[in-house]
Amino acid sequence: DARVTQTPRHKVTEMGQEVTMRCQPILGHNTVFWYRQTMMQGLELLAYFRNRAPLDDSGMPKDRFSAEMPDATLATLKIQPSEPRDSAVYFCASDSGINQPQHFGDGTRLSIL
Amino acid sequence: DQQVKQNSPSLSVQEGRISILNCDYTNSMFDYFLWYKKYPAEGPTFLISISSIKDKNEDGRFTVFLNKSAKHLSLHIVPSQPGDSAVYFCAASVKTGANNLFFGTGTRLTVIP
Repeated sequence: DARVTQTPRHKVTEMGQEVTMRCQPILGHNTVFWYRQTMMQGLELLAYFRNRAPLDDSGMPKDRFSAEMPDATLATLKIQPSEPRDSAVYFCASDSGINQPQHFGDGTRLSIL
Repeated sequence: DQQVKQNSPSLSVQEGRISILNCDYTNSMFDYFLWYKKYPAEGPTFLISISSIKDKNEDGRFTVFLNKSAKHLSLHIVPSQPGDSAVYFCAASVKTGANNLFFGTGTRLTVIP
């Protein structure tokens, strides 16, 4: 079965450090999503791309978060500088079009000390 | 403002019996609904979906029912098995060309052997 691959699976770092999370979407999927899961907010959408073009990043704190898709096989989510409130599980998902299910990676568990 | 709500945080069911998970939504523009299952330390796994033009969709032991007038959907699992124990999320999207999902907060299902 094709899967979305996320790296790293776990990341622990100190406040103020830069964090980069990577996602390899399923081959052939043209839409990539970044979600964050916290105890308080559940799963919330941060940003998404279609055909590598950013469509919406209104869910992201723009001053410290950035999302890019350098090529069709790689999406990145960067936090600089990181803060303790950024601690969460970050999921990447991809799909092949409208009204097609999104398929999720296993997430990056981020802890900012 | 939570547009998709799962009011039962947990549900316990005896093996072999039916599990019914419920979900309510507030946005009448939602036209595509999905259920995801999530195990600990893994990403959500797509289970079943339904378009707003239907009121029922069945896949093996899983059936999703949609009541548009009540803005309510439910997932029926019959017969329930211990391996079904997981957190179940319902999600919804609007056909705006975006396909971004709005998630409920999840229901933890425990199937007792």
